[in-house]
Amino acid sequence: DVKVTQSSRYLVKRTGEKVFLECVQDMDHENMFWYRQDPGLGLRLIYFSYDVKMKEKGDIPEGYSVSREKKERFSLILESASTNQTSMYLCASSPWTGMDHRGYTFGSGTRLTVV
Amino acid sequence: AQTVTQSQPEMSVQEAETVTLSCTYDTSESDYYLFWYKQPPSRQMILVIRQEAYKQQNATENRFSVNFQKAAKSFSLKISDSQLGDAAMYFCAYSPYNNNDMRFGAGTRLTVKP
Repeated sequence: DVKVTQSSRYLVKRTGEKVFLECVQDMDHENMFWYRQDPGLGLRLIYFSYDVKMKEKGDIPEGYSVSREKKERFSLILESASTNQTSMYLCASSPWTGMDHRGYTFGSGTRLTVV
Repeated sequence: AQTVTQSQPEMSVQEAETVTLSCTYDTSESDYYLFWYKQPPSRQMILVIRQEAYKQQNATENRFSVNFQKAAKSFSLKISDSQLGDAAMYFCAYSPYNNNDMRFGAGTRLTVKP
């Protein structure tokens, strides 16, 4: 069964800490994405990557960075966590199929609380 | 930038009845993809149905079907014969034709009453 695995289901961090959220996919997908999910706002795109060592900003990149050193792993980094980054974080991946977009495979999410 | 609007934060339906969830979107593109995703309490997002904008025929997947109105930029999801397991958050999403970015609506929480 193909999978997108997020390393933590729940995480509690202190304000100012550097936080790493890890995402690994075993489907050899080229594309990987990070979203945050907040009530009433849906999913908002933070960063995405179409290839190893490549990254692109999404709609809300401020306060975040990413790393993609290997094809299967896409890390989201909160350089200095703040309380307004308390949220659900969802990782997703998809193959590069040119014009034939079949949707994403999602991880189960990491609920991050910053105190 | 493309936006996706789901105007119904919550909906409820009686088991075995039919319910329609609304979605509108804004884009200047002529070719794109539209999706409906389901997120049950387990949090795992599941693809329900997919529509290619250049296809006029509405997509159907078992009890799930869409009403795609391209001129009106409307993409509603109809769930027939609702089951208790259909209770979830439903998200409408848009993706441009030439890349894999996806933009989501705010979601509709569906409750199914026994």
